[in-house]
Amino acid sequence: GENVEQHPSTLSVQEGDSAVIKCTYSDSASNYFPWYKQELGKRPQLIIDIRSNVGEKKDQRIAVTLNKTAKHFSLHITETQPEDSAVYFCAANPNTGNQFYFGTGTSLTVIP
Amino acid sequence: DSGVTQTPKHLITATGQRVTLRCSPRSGDLSVYWYQQSLDQGLQFLIQYYNGEERAKGNILERFSAQQFPDLHSELNLSSLELGDSALYFCASSAKVAGELFFGEGSRLTVL
Repeated sequence: GENVEQHPSTLSVQEGDSAVIKCTYSDSASNYFPWYKQELGKRPQLIIDIRSNVGEKKDQRIAVTLNKTAKHFSLHITETQPEDSAVYFCAANPNTGNQFYFGTGTSLTVIP
Repeated sequence: DSGVTQTPKHLITATGQRVTLRCSPRSGDLSVYWYQQSLDQGLQFLIQYYNGEERAKGNILERFSAQQFPDLHSELNLSSLELGDSALYFCASSAKVAGELFFGEGSRLTVL
């Protein structure tokens, strides 16, 4: 089955700096890569996603890049703000089924 | 509000007991997923149903079982509970294959 690895597990940045979280996947059949944000005590919520026919997608301060050849994708947050502090999960969805494989999460802290 | 409803929100019980967690997906969503999130851990996939049928199974213990009913709501049954079963259990639904997952608020289970 699919295996998703996520790094780093924790990340601290100063407010206004950029944050980058990286994930790798193993199954070349995976074609959908969402990112979820989970604030403390809350449910995970989708913040951005990318499909395998696209190399990059941007939504305001958030961008995701995908390298299918290397089987890795990354989340980029620019001009970080304290409200960006949360746990971020990447996921991969193989075309063979509907199962989502999640990374282990990155706890992001934005220091004011 | 994601449109996914989970009950109960909190549940405290003793070892050896059995509990049932309930999930109502978003209107029209046929897929229901169950995830377990232990303290400071990632999202462990348990099981997925699609229109009443089991579609995928993850690391679900034999003491756990689930089903999806004709009205599409789902129940996760946890029996012979152990201390290690204490966790936040999320239900999520999606409308299509490789589509956005909408998570409920979770059911926090504490086993004493």
